[in-house]
Amino acid sequence: AQSVTQLDSQVPVFEEAPVELRCNYSSSVSVYLFWYVQYPNQGLQLLLKYLSGSTLVESINGFEAEFNKSQTSFHLRKPSVHISDTAEYFCAVRPIYNQGGKLIFGQGTELSVKP
Amino acid sequence: NAGVTQTPKFRILKIGQSMTLQCTQDMNHNYMYWYRQDPGMGLKLIYYSVGAGITDKGEVPNGYNVSRSTTEDFPLRLELAAPSQTSVYFCASSPDKSSYEQYFGPGTRLTVT
Repeated sequence: AQSVTQLDSQVPVFEEAPVELRCNYSSSVSVYLFWYVQYPNQGLQLLLKYLSGSTLVESINGFEAEFNKSQTSFHLRKPSVHISDTAEYFCAVRPIYNQGGKLIFGQGTELSVKP
Repeated sequence: NAGVTQTPKFRILKIGQSMTLQCTQDMNHNYMYWYRQDPGMGLKLIYYSVGAGITDKGEVPNGYNVSRSTTEDFPLRLELAAPSQTSVYFCASSPDKSSYEQYFGPGTRLTVT
């Protein structure tokens, strides 16, 4: 079985400050890793994913996440946040050999960017 | 291209009533999913389908039923609604098992009182 733990339920930051949202996972099999973002009153959207290869993956809007196999972590970072980054962020895993493509989500981290 | 659409957006049910949450996708995706989202709990998978006529249970299927008679539609049925089913419900779709992205609808907020 797999589980995902997001270590912070809420992260308030000021605009232009750096931010890190932490994600740890547990799995007895190899997994793919994902970050999804949910803007207020909307569904979830894929932000970035790690499948294989370079352990550092980037999104088009400046977020990056690093896969650390030894620490079973996939933390999300951004060097300078904008007001528009205010949203809830979900870390998720999917076993590589998984019928149905099922995702296991963490509890979510609410990022609040203040001016 | 509307993507994944869900109806209704909001609904209030009395205990014991039943209803169907509708989900439609126009992307010709084979895989479809129903999740519920509760505060501080993330998303939990209720049911999923890998194609028309094929459905399977997820993590929290009790109290729900699904059917998949067409590729486009994946309705979720609540029988005998209970307060524990108060939640936000999301439908998602994916082309097939080799696709790594799920596409989510806007959600249905359900309150059972």
